[in-house]
Amino acid sequence: GAVVSQHPSWVICKSGTSVKIECRSLDFQATTMFWYRQFPKQSLMLMATSNEGSKATYEQGVEKDKFLINHASLTLSTLTVTSAHPEDSSFYICSAEPGQRLYEQYFGPGTRLTVT
Amino acid sequence: KQEVTQIPAALSVPEGENLVLNCSFTDSAIYNLQWFRQDPGKGLTSLLLIQSSQREQTSGRLNASLDKSSGRSTLYIAASQPGDSATYLCAVRGSYNQGGKLIFGQGTELSVKP
Repeated sequence: GAVVSQHPSWVICKSGTSVKIECRSLDFQATTMFWYRQFPKQSLMLMATSNEGSKATYEQGVEKDKFLINHASLTLSTLTVTSAHPEDSSFYICSAEPGQRLYEQYFGPGTRLTVT
Repeated sequence: KQEVTQIPAALSVPEGENLVLNCSFTDSAIYNLQWFRQDPGKGLTSLLLIQSSQREQTSGRLNASLDKSSGRSTLYIAASQPGDSATYLCAVRGSYNQGGKLIFGQGTELSVKP
């Protein structure tokens, strides 16, 4: 149980285009989902927290107009990188949390984004 | 602001050795602490989660301890195997009124040689 999937697992896009990454909780309802970013040889940095049906809360320094997050249902959150640039190339990982309390977060397998 | 530090950054050991990975955090007001494993290019696998009221958790050859007052946790791996080679991440969870965020350390890259 508690499986989180991400799609796609890797994507290459050209500079200036937009790319959407999906995060799904497969066997539970996730009221809260989190998006992280990881550069090579570095740790995970929280980008934003999304709650179903409301606007995402972005961490300081994360451009909300560039990284659009939508949490339209209890099992799906999407991250859209708009007008991507090579510096946006990174490993993006989502996690999902069941319920309103601080239960364990379940992590997706990650999406490797390369912007050329 | 919570900061999480892991020492060492990298570790190479021969197969069969017992080893200890260290994690320290600056704010002791945590909700829980979690150890993860990450293989290259992959997502995170949760290994052990210790609630703030607990002192340790065990799973197979893994044992994690938590000393909240001193801001320290250790992950003990017994009888290491080449399959244990991966990056190990420590993360602390703040309380709900602190935003409940998961703050990660930089990780320890472990290599177990056959």
